[in-house]
Amino acid sequence: QKEVEQDPGPLSVPEGAIVSLNCTYSNSAFQYFMWYRQYSRKGPELLMYTYSSGNKEDGRFTAQVDKSSKYISLFIRDSQPSDSATYLCAMRVTSGTYKYIFGTGTRLKVLA
Amino acid sequence: EAQVTQNPRYLITVTGKKLTVTCSQNMNHEYMSWYRQDPGLGLRQIYYSMNVEVTDKGDVPEGYKVSRKEKRNFPLILESPSPNQTSLYFCASSSEGAEAFFGQGTRLTVV
Repeated sequence: QKEVEQDPGPLSVPEGAIVSLNCTYSNSAFQYFMWYRQYSRKGPELLMYTYSSGNKEDGRFTAQVDKSSKYISLFIRDSQPSDSATYLCAMRVTSGTYKYIFGTGTRLKVLA
Repeated sequence: EAQVTQNPRYLITVTGKKLTVTCSQNMNHEYMSWYRQDPGLGLRQIYYSMNVEVTDKGDVPEGYKVSRKEKRNFPLILESPSPNQTSLYFCASSSEGAEAFFGQGTRLTVV
């Protein structure tokens, strides 16, 4: 079993829809949870970063962490065609190491 | 402009010929990492560094070496490349808990 599981998609939605992207994980020691967006032929860019559990909002993006269920989510409101990309979740344990585990990514297509 | 710069962007080489991929950041970040990205496997961490002269293995370190002699540079060395190291490589840096900046990527083909 992989430490981090993410549905690869592709996920196609109409413009304006609310998108929900999810990852599950098995290592209860993970404390940092990140979401990255990667456009084709580009490096990933950090979208959201959460330490421990709870919600975080930034514009149209909301990240949620449920440590009891080992489940994290990224919601995109009012999705736009420019949101079409691959979304990667990533996690790491806290101090003493900088070891990261990424999900395999979910491809999202927002149709105009 | 804050950036992570990798060179070269594209490289085709032959099995066994030593190569180095350079990575440089201009943000004075303590943390730097190397990743490889393969279809269906996602991003996997090769090595990371938490400061000058401090490096440690990620998930897939076999066949790679790194060094961190200066804060800004973190080269990735393949002493004897093999075809299974054909991949897209990314360098990243940050000063906090998340990888804030990734380089543009280096597409390596080993024949």
